[in-house]
Amino acid sequence: NAGVTQTPKFQVLKTGQSMTLQCAQDMNHNSMYWYRQDPGMGLRLIYYSASEGTTDKGEVPNGYNVSRLNKREFSLRLESAAPSQTSVYFCASSVGTSGGGEQFFGPGTRLTVL
Amino acid sequence: AQSVTQLDSHVSVSEGTPVLLRCNYSSSYSPSLFWYVQHPNKGLQLLLKYTSAATLVKGINGFEAEFKKSETSFHLTKPSAHMSDAAEYFCVVSDRNSGGYQKVTFGIGTKLQVIP
Repeated sequence: NAGVTQTPKFQVLKTGQSMTLQCAQDMNHNSMYWYRQDPGMGLRLIYYSASEGTTDKGEVPNGYNVSRLNKREFSLRLESAAPSQTSVYFCASSVGTSGGGEQFFGPGTRLTVL
Repeated sequence: AQSVTQLDSHVSVSEGTPVLLRCNYSSSYSPSLFWYVQHPNKGLQLLLKYTSAATLVKGINGFEAEFKKSETSFHLTKPSAHMSDAAEYFCVVSDRNSGGYQKVTFGIGTKLQVIP
């Protein structure tokens, strides 16, 4: 039982390049989330998927797109990376609206945009 | 509106002394409250959670927190700090908004330093 896995662990991009961050969970959770973590700002929600087939914007969605590929997988895409997107990205999952809100986190992806 | 305020961005304690990390929240509904810990270059791990059962919640590694509705607080405590407790701690509130969806808000984090 791997929990929440993320790939890659590290990535360096040049401004304007695109990339997709992958996330998968094996806990049969309904809801999945993408956060970014910046110093002094805690975790901010980028996008979330309350259930398979739905996605919604969070607090900071600009410059990102997501795909809920199936119940297990939730990817985050940067179409044209900018230095302001340098951050640590965390994927998380939870049971869903019937649960108590506890989220399970992946190990993170450290992204640097030059 | 839902919000979380962690009152200290940094806390420094000596090994063996008590730890107090403060958190206040606001919520329009009956919230669930959580504390997560993040060690350097790691993901977040759940320490403990309150979901409307006992107001004093015990978590892993000797941590506990007390839900005080009248004070809208959920402070994290530990009687005796260990070096391994040095990490960043996040207070989190979760409740259902008027549309029935769960909304989760993180505090900005408190970095705990433990001095030998």
